[in-house]
Amino acid sequence: EAGVTQSPTHLIKTRGQQATLRCSPISGHTSVYWYQQALGLGLQFLLWYDEGEERNRGNFPPRFSGRQFPNYSSELNVNALELEDSALYLCASRSLAGVGNEQFFGPGTRLTVL
Amino acid sequence: QKEVEQDPGPLSVPEGAIVSLNCTYSNSAFQYFMWYRQYSRKGPELLMYTYSSGNKEDGRFTAQVDKSSKYISLFIRDSQPSDSATYLCAMSATGANNLFFGTGTRLTVIP
Repeated sequence: EAGVTQSPTHLIKTRGQQATLRCSPISGHTSVYWYQQALGLGLQFLLWYDEGEERNRGNFPPRFSGRQFPNYSSELNVNALELEDSALYLCASRSLAGVGNEQFFGPGTRLTVL
Repeated sequence: QKEVEQDPGPLSVPEGAIVSLNCTYSNSAFQYFMWYRQYSRKGPELLMYTYSSGNKEDGRFTAQVDKSSKYISLFIRDSQPSDSATYLCAMSATGANNLFFGTGTRLTVIP
């Protein structure tokens, strides 16, 4: 069974630009979560999508947005990039048919803002 | 106060040692508890999942949850160099879905 995939692996942008990150969940998983892992800060919850709808968002400004497509893949957009947006962006998926809240992560996209 | 506190280490042990990793939390609504292992420049890998209080064992790994003390632990027996990684605790409340993570403990097992 293929795991969660993310693209690109690395992304280098300059301040003020926009970044688009992509995620494909495990087959059969309908929920996609985005987390930011900045150095020394641990994983911070960004966004949760399920069945094409945004279900919850973390304490991040509106320039962090995204969407989920009918095939359950997801896109994270970060507008007006700032230097402190440099981080590893992780996508996780979960099957809501499961009994718990196990989330399975992709390898991440490392975003560098210069 | 952070929702989840985890000693960042680093922790260095000889091969074969028993490793104890711990997290404390403040939100009594947390019901689901997980441990993830993250190798350098990789995504976190789910190691253990526990619901509510109690123990769970899987091979060399044992997860313990003490909800009365708001304290969770991961024990690694007969540690191996391949266990060298950052270990993250994560938890969520019943009905809620986003995970709250500790900052991770970096473990090195020396051959």
